[in-house]
Amino acid sequence: SAVISQKPSRDICQRGTSLTIQCQVDSQVTMMFWYRQQPGQSLTLIATANQGSEATYESGFVIDKFPISRPNLTFSTLTVSNMSPEDSSIYLCSVESLRLFGGNEQFFGPGTRLTVL
Amino acid sequence: LAKTTQPISMDSYEGQEVNITCSHNNIATNDYITWYQQFPSQGPRFIIQGYKTKVTNEVASLFIPADRKSSTLSLPRVSLSDTAVYYCLVGDMFSGGYNKLIFGAGTRLAVHP
Repeated sequence: SAVISQKPSRDICQRGTSLTIQCQVDSQVTMMFWYRQQPGQSLTLIATANQGSEATYESGFVIDKFPISRPNLTFSTLTVSNMSPEDSSIYLCSVESLRLFGGNEQFFGPGTRLTVL
Repeated sequence: LAKTTQPISMDSYEGQEVNITCSHNNIATNDYITWYQQFPSQGPRFIIQGYKTKVTNEVASLFIPADRKSSTLSLPRVSLSDTAVYYCLVGDMFSGGYNKLIFGAGTRLAVHP
């Protein structure tokens, strides 16, 4: 299993500013994933962060808008840059763990609720 | 990655059994089926995972027919605390620790007194 913490838990920001969200895992993991969940919607994968290499972004997400750092095997940050009200969402990080008898399981952080005014 | 289809919402009452069916017609040989549960203001939580036939744990059962083109999550005797969104996902079990999850719309289950 994995325990994940995120900071901040919530924030209210002005448009045009940037916010960096931190994700800390209690064990070393190869991949970390960043998701966005807009109000009342499902989760959308933003990018996958592998330690020591550039993050891989999904269609519709770009590095200039959502730069990601992955300095070590237990930590990652996601920055939401030049924010607009459309960026108001919950941002979640997750990690994958192999299950004992096969298959994988993902563990999610509690999320960061971002409101952009 | 196989696309999944599930009902948008379901209603039930306390003590009843709830079955949520998920369709995944394009499931690949290496794909396994996983269900996650999400409460408001929390991240999704793993419920159950299977590859074929039936899997049961302390929380739920997962029924997978031979063709694996669908699966059914069964929640026995639901309570109010089972009110949540349930997501069905398929993914490669041999991904070696890298399994990109693509979430569908999920099923919003409401359990009534």
